[in-house]
Amino acid sequence: DAGVIQSPRHEVTEMGQEVTLRCKPISGHDYLFWYRQTMMRGLELLIYFNNNVPIDDSGMPEDRFSAKMPNASFSTLKIQPSEPRDSAVYFCASSGRDTTNEKLFFGSGTQLSVL
Amino acid sequence: RKEVEQDPGPFNVPEGATVAFNCTYSNSASQSFFWYRQDCRKEPKLLMSVYSSGNEDGRFTAQLNRASQYISLLIRDSKLSDSATYLCVVNMRDDMRFGAGTRLTVKP
Repeated sequence: DAGVIQSPRHEVTEMGQEVTLRCKPISGHDYLFWYRQTMMRGLELLIYFNNNVPIDDSGMPEDRFSAKMPNASFSTLKIQPSEPRDSAVYFCASSGRDTTNEKLFFGSGTQLSVL
Repeated sequence: RKEVEQDPGPFNVPEGATVAFNCTYSNSASQSFFWYRQDCRKEPKLLMSVYSSGNEDGRFTAQLNRASQYISLLIRDSKLSDSATYLCVVNMRDDMRFGAGTRLTVKP
């Protein structure tokens, strides 16, 4: 298995532009998580899905952020409009049916820089 | 209060030292616990799960204290390759909440 695949690896954009981050989870995994990591705040859970359904989006910072999972093999995290304070590494992770005992598999992350 | 709290460190120790990290969590209903390791500019990876009875994996020992709501990680005979950030993770409701991480540097 190729693991969790994220794209792009790096994204540099200007303030006000729309940014779309993409994630392909491991086949067969039922859970998908989006995290954001910064030096100041560490690794924050933004939203997670179970069987393509958003379960908890309380970590999404504001309405500029939205996430979708149209099918079991694809998810997007969109920021519109982007702001410099959105600059961070965004990780996608997936796990199997039971997160109690299943480990998270992370993608390599997307380094986002908003100028 | 944060849901999962860790001492950010850094911990700077010589090779061969024993080092311990603690992590506290706020939700007493939390179900499962883990330690992850993250190398610089890399994604986090599972180091070990933490079981109620405590568990050991080579030089690494993890313990859980539900009454006091904390988990710990002990690294014995530390190696240069142990240098990394160690993240504790608490599973509360199928979500997986991370602490901010504790940075460890092992020096020759």
